[in-house]
Amino acid sequence: EAGVAQSPRYKIIEKRQSVAFWCNPISGHATLYWYQQILGQGPKLLIQFQNNGVVDDSQLPKDRFSAERLKGVDSTLKIQPAKLEDSAVYLCASSPRGVGGDTQYFGPGTRLTVL
Amino acid sequence: RKEVEQDPGPFNVPEGATVAFNCTYSNSASQSFFWYRQDCRKEPKLLMSVYSSGNEDGRFTAQLNRASQYISLLIRDSKLSDSATYLCVVISMDSNYQLIWGAGTKLIIKP
Repeated sequence: EAGVAQSPRYKIIEKRQSVAFWCNPISGHATLYWYQQILGQGPKLLIQFQNNGVVDDSQLPKDRFSAERLKGVDSTLKIQPAKLEDSAVYLCASSPRGVGGDTQYFGPGTRLTVL
Repeated sequence: RKEVEQDPGPFNVPEGATVAFNCTYSNSASQSFFWYRQDCRKEPKLLMSVYSSGNEDGRFTAQLNRASQYISLLIRDSKLSDSATYLCVVISMDSNYQLIWGAGTKLIIKP
């Protein structure tokens, strides 16, 4: 079974530039998550999709971050404009149902460096 | 106070030793608990769920103490390959089942 795919794996940009990340979840998984993980910290949930609807985006900085999951499969996360503090690993995860206790499967992440 | 707290470590442990670490949570309505393992520069992977009665998987034992609001992870006969960061995850019904992650405990097994 193919795992969660993410691209790019690494990205370096200057502050105020824009960047987009892509995620392809495990086939058939209803729920998709985007996390931000800053070095030395645990993952912080940015947004959770159930199929193509948003379940939770309470911690998404909506003035600069946006995400969509068209057709309930692939998803993109965009940052515009980027700030220095956005430097982090952006992890995408998917789970079969998204209910409490459902195992999350993570992609390899995109390591973003903002200069 | 953070919702989920872990000792960041690192715990430096000789190979073959037993090591244990805890994760405390602040929300008494928390109902699901997990341990994830994250290798350096890799993504987190589920290690084990934590059940009310405790559970064991080989050398790993997880326990839940609801009264004191913490979960624990015990690793027996530690291997070099156990070196990683161990993240605890807590789910609370009253937070819309959002997963709350600890910052992780770093474990280093030395030969």
